[in-house]
Amino acid sequence: TQLLEQSPQFLSIQEGENLTVYCNSSSVFSSLQWYRQEPGEGPVLLVTVVTGGEVKKLKRLTFQFGDARKDSSLHITAAQPGDTGLYLCAGGALGDSGYALNFGKGTSLLVTP
Amino acid sequence: SAVISQKPSRDICQRGTSLTIQCQVDSQVTMMFWYRQQPGQSLTLIATANQGSEATYESGFVIDKFPISRPNLTFSTLTVSNMSPEDSSIYLCSVEWDRGIYEQFFGPGTRLTVL
Repeated sequence: TQLLEQSPQFLSIQEGENLTVYCNSSSVFSSLQWYRQEPGEGPVLLVTVVTGGEVKKLKRLTFQFGDARKDSSLHITAAQPGDTGLYLCAGGALGDSGYALNFGKGTSLLVTP
Repeated sequence: SAVISQKPSRDICQRGTSLTIQCQVDSQVTMMFWYRQQPGQSLTLIATANQGSEATYESGFVIDKFPISRPNLTFSTLTVSNMSPEDSSIYLCSVEWDRGIYEQFFGPGTRLTVL
C-alpha cells in the first residue's frame, strides 16, 4: 500500500481567507484525484491530475500535481461556507487487483461566515 | 460520469444480524468497489468486484464477513454478516470510469449503526 499523507488534518477559517491543503507520498502515482465529501454523502470527484507539474483550476480551486508525481496541493481562494467539507486526495496506481486508489486521511475544512 | 445509487441510505441493526447493501449504476461498468469509512476516518477498500468472478478482498477483510455479489455489469451487493458495534460505518460503493484517464465515482453511501 502506498501511503498518502494529507495536511493539515483540520482547518477552520473565516470566509474570504485563502488556504492550501497538501497531499504527499514517497511513491509515484499514475494519477491523483481530489474529492470533497459533505456530511451524509459520498465523495464527489473534483479533479484528476495525471501529468507531472500539471495545474488545473476549478473556479476558486487550484490543483497542482508535483513534477515527480508524488505530491499534490489544493489551493482555495476566498473560501466560502459552501466549501466546508472533507477533502480527500487519492493516488492511483496499478496493483495486484488492477488499478487501485490509495486515499489520504483527509482534511476537514470548516469555513465560517 | 456514472450515476450511482445505494440502498438503504441508512439502517440501525441489532448485533448478530446481517444487512445487505445494494449498489446500482446507470451504465455498464467492469469494476465496482466497496469501501468502508469509519467515523471521522478516510476510506478503506474492502474488496473489488468484477462481473462474473469472485470478489478480490483486501487484507483484513474476508468473504465470510463481507460476502459480495456481482450478478451483472450494473449491480452489486455487499452483505455485512454477524454484525457487531465495530461494524458501524459508512459503506460506499464506487465504479471505475475510464475516459482515457482512470477515475472512480462514488455512490451516496449507506450509514450503518449496529447496537
